[in-house]
Amino acid sequence: EVQLVESGGGVVQPGGSLRLSCAASGFTFDDYAMHWVRQAPGKGLEWVSLISGDGGSTYYADSVKGRFTISRDNSKNSLYLQMNSLRTEDTALYYCAKDAPPVVPGANAFDIWGQGTMVTVSS
Amino acid sequence: EIVLTQSPDFQSVTPKEKVTITCRASQSIGSSLHWYQQKPDQSPKLLIKYASQSISGVPSRFSGSGSGTDFTLTINSLEAEDAAAYYCHQSSSLPLTFGGGTKVEIK
Repeated sequence: EVQLVESGGGVVQPGGSLRLSCAASGFTFDDYAMHWVRQAPGKGLEWVSLISGDGGSTYYADSVKGRFTISRDNSKNSLYLQMNSLRTEDTALYYCAKDAPPVVPGANAFDIWGQGTMVTVSS
Repeated sequence: EIVLTQSPDFQSVTPKEKVTITCRASQSIGSSLHWYQQKPDQSPKLLIKYASQSISGVPSRFSGSGSGTDFTLTINSLEAEDAAAYYCHQSSSLPLTFGGGTKVEIK
């Protein structure tokens, strides 16, 4: 079964840091680009970051650029998001998502989503 | 940044009725437009990719059309289980963006 399972969310003070993880199974992980997408409570979806299958290319939304770092360990079938200098507006449910096949330059639709991990930034 | 504008924001529909949701892009994105369904307390689910390509396991009452800047998601003969929020998403250029969402309520 193709599956993504996020972990690492929690409550953190403004200015703090958190590292999210996403464990992948059921597909050839390093074949696909992976993404982080977030959803603030009661709001819509916001793309956060993208990493290519080999990890060599990364992209970020302007709202997180310079504060968040996406990475992956293909030997562990895992995706990560290091979040530093957290702000109250980063409070959201964070999803990891997989690019759909076929592999294309850039990005594709997201065919598999995890269940999300909640990040709350509050003093 | 490509802005996706969905309409309507909210729609209350009776079962078996036809639902049409539109998504307009601020510039041409070819057919790089995808549709998702998100039911309450669930993760988004891919319904349609590349404007009109069907996804395995998605009921045939869901269909998509359009290209360039104007796209449509159609739900033929709405069922109670289709109560959800629907989002469009473009992968034509970075940053990737989503529409604001359309909430479909069953009367």
